[in-house]
Amino acid sequence: QITLKESGPTLVKPTQTLTLTCTFSGFSLNSPGVGVGWIRQPPGKALEWLALSYWDDDKRYSPSLKSRLTITKDTSKNQVDLTLTNMDPVDTATYFCTHRPQSTSYYFDFWGQGTLVTVSS
Amino acid sequence: QSVLTQPPSMSGAPGQRVTISCTGSSSNIGAGYDVHWYQQLPGTAPKLLIYVNNNRPSGVPDRFSGSKSGTSASLAITGLQAEDEADYYCQSYDRSLSTWVFGGGTKVTVL
Repeated sequence: QITLKESGPTLVKPTQTLTLTCTFSGFSLNSPGVGVGWIRQPPGKALEWLALSYWDDDKRYSPSLKSRLTITKDTSKNQVDLTLTNMDPVDTATYFCTHRPQSTSYYFDFWGQGTLVTVSS
Repeated sequence: QSVLTQPPSMSGAPGQRVTISCTGSSSNIGAGYDVHWYQQLPGTAPKLLIYVNNNRPSGVPDRFSGSKSGTSASLAITGLQAEDEADYYCQSYDRSLSTWVFGGGTKVTVL
């Protein structure tokens, strides 16, 4: 049974750096094809894909946020971190951690419950 | 502005059929990338509803079905139930942007 859970600060100030941790169970990030991704959703708005880390340490980023994003994995701890620099109030959103299955297609079959991050001074 | 276009809202009476469209372009759906659908109940995380165009994960009722043609896809809900009131998002991959892309979401209301 796959589970994912996000953790990190709920409130950050503008210009600060946000670091979120996804702790997962029920799968290995060493398995070929598997990935862990981050997706966010501003209040009342649509989903936005941010980044994904593959089993082989290949990393993909949203082009619009690439300069501010870093994704890292620690397979020994079953964790994936997401760092977003220079936070702005427009970055206020619920951030979801997701599982990308071993597949030739591009989708997310399991999601964490999400964590709301508010950017405010 | 989402890469995939969905109607913002749709509604139907219990028992009716609702079809949600998802329109893309030649760099995503039209390029052959699969379409997937997620259901987001109020206050909860999205849940995979349909994957690879027309496949249901275990536990998803067969009232939900998906299809894809050309640069568009559709999600059909037949026999609409009160518990189907939620936001629905389509998702694909865009080769020009090299990103996973979502639609803007459709809020389904059961009258």
